[in-house]
Amino acid sequence: RKEVEQDPGPFNVPEGATVAFNCTYSNSASQSFFWYRQDCRKEPKLLMSVYSSGNEDGRFTAQLNRASQYISLLIRDSKLSDSATYLCVVTPGGRLTGGSYIPTFGRGTSLIVHP
Amino acid sequence: EAQVTQNPRYLITVTGKKLTVTCSQNMNHEYMSWYRQDPGLGLRQIYYSMNVEVTDKGDVPEGYKVSRKEKRNFPLILESPSPNQTSLYFCASSRRQGSVRTVDLDTQYFGPGTRLTVL
Repeated sequence: RKEVEQDPGPFNVPEGATVAFNCTYSNSASQSFFWYRQDCRKEPKLLMSVYSSGNEDGRFTAQLNRASQYISLLIRDSKLSDSATYLCVVTPGGRLTGGSYIPTFGRGTSLIVHP
Repeated sequence: EAQVTQNPRYLITVTGKKLTVTCSQNMNHEYMSWYRQDPGLGLRQIYYSMNVEVTDKGDVPEGYKVSRKEKRNFPLILESPSPNQTSLYFCASSRRQGSVRTVDLDTQYFGPGTRLTVL
């Protein structure tokens, strides 16, 4: 069962490049969407939430397309420090009775930024 | 400082020897969960808890137990560990928002991870 799919990469890009990742999800009832960043062997940390209207934070832009059921992350002017794995996370909403509250993580997309 | 703590950070044990990994958060979050992360499989949820005394199975609960006696603590118990439970484990907490009838999960905050090896 692959509810959230990401291209594992690695995406190998030079400093200053623009790179984009996509993530598709299968559950149309999904409510909340996030991009997390994970450095090797460390805990995931929130990069940004993803809203229907789009969300921009400095060099990072996230978009949600509910009709096509995907979210995207765009990184402009890549830095060496952007090298990491980027995890797409989809969380369900639901009623208190009978709902399932299991956030689903994609397997991550590896980004390597080289000099 | 808002944080999620886990202990121990590293553990090597033998098959069948009961162990507990502790998790504690100081953000008064209702929702807590445990994940395991394995190469090629990503993060998979083991158990979650919506609030004190309310726990439920995630995607991979077999071989694990949890309890939620206090809001801040959510220990993970392996009654009889086996080598296939060798993994990197993360605890996470999240604020729960939404109306009485619906639930949305806010940002998850992760602990630093526990690397478990079962021989």
